[in-house]
Amino acid sequence: EVHLLESGGSLVRPGGSLRLSCETSGFTFSSYEMNWVRQAPGRGLEWVSYITSSSRTTLYSASVKGRFTISRDNAKNSLFLQMESLRPEDTAFYYCARVSPLAPFDKWGQGTLVTVSS
Amino acid sequence: SFELTQPPSVSVSPGQTAKITCSGDTLPNQNAYWYQQRPGQAPILVIYKDVERPSGIPERFSGSTSGTGVSLTINTVQAEDEADYYCQSIDTTGTWVFGGGTRLTV
Repeated sequence: EVHLLESGGSLVRPGGSLRLSCETSGFTFSSYEMNWVRQAPGRGLEWVSYITSSSRTTLYSASVKGRFTISRDNAKNSLFLQMESLRPEDTAFYYCARVSPLAPFDKWGQGTLVTVSS
Repeated sequence: SFELTQPPSVSVSPGQTAKITCSGDTLPNQNAYWYQQRPGQAPILVIYKDVERPSGIPERFSGSTSGTGVSLTINTVQAEDEADYYCQSIDTTGTWVFGGGTRLTV
């Protein structure tokens, strides 16, 4: 069974940094592209970032480009999101999601909460 | 900017049919996807490529297309179907976008 488990969310001050992790199991992680999606409390879904299976290509939404960095470690079946210069509007649940031939977000983790506040 | 428009809410009684619409200028040329998010849970994929249903999703869930829009239809709605539903597609720059979400109340 496919499992994705995010971690690393916490309370951080504006301007601070945070690194999120997504541990995966139940599928050949190195063969799949991956995404990060976020959801502000009580709000809708927003795509954040994408990475190819080889890490050769990364994409970012305009709202995080230049501040967030997506990466992966295929040997450890893990996906990461390094977040810098955090702003209150970055407060959200952050989900990792797998890309498959079916859909760009075919399996999701349970999410980790990032709160940016002074 | 590319936008997907959904009604904020839809309300039906148990056993009735619910239809949730999603409109966007590029939908006729791009695949649409639907995700269900129950309260306090992560989203799950319920429809892919406009009309296809993943394994494990009940047959009462179906997708359709028309004009500049797509729809998610849930036949014989059950209490467990109460959730937020999001449509999703991709714009010409390769950016994934979601609709604003529709709260289905049963």
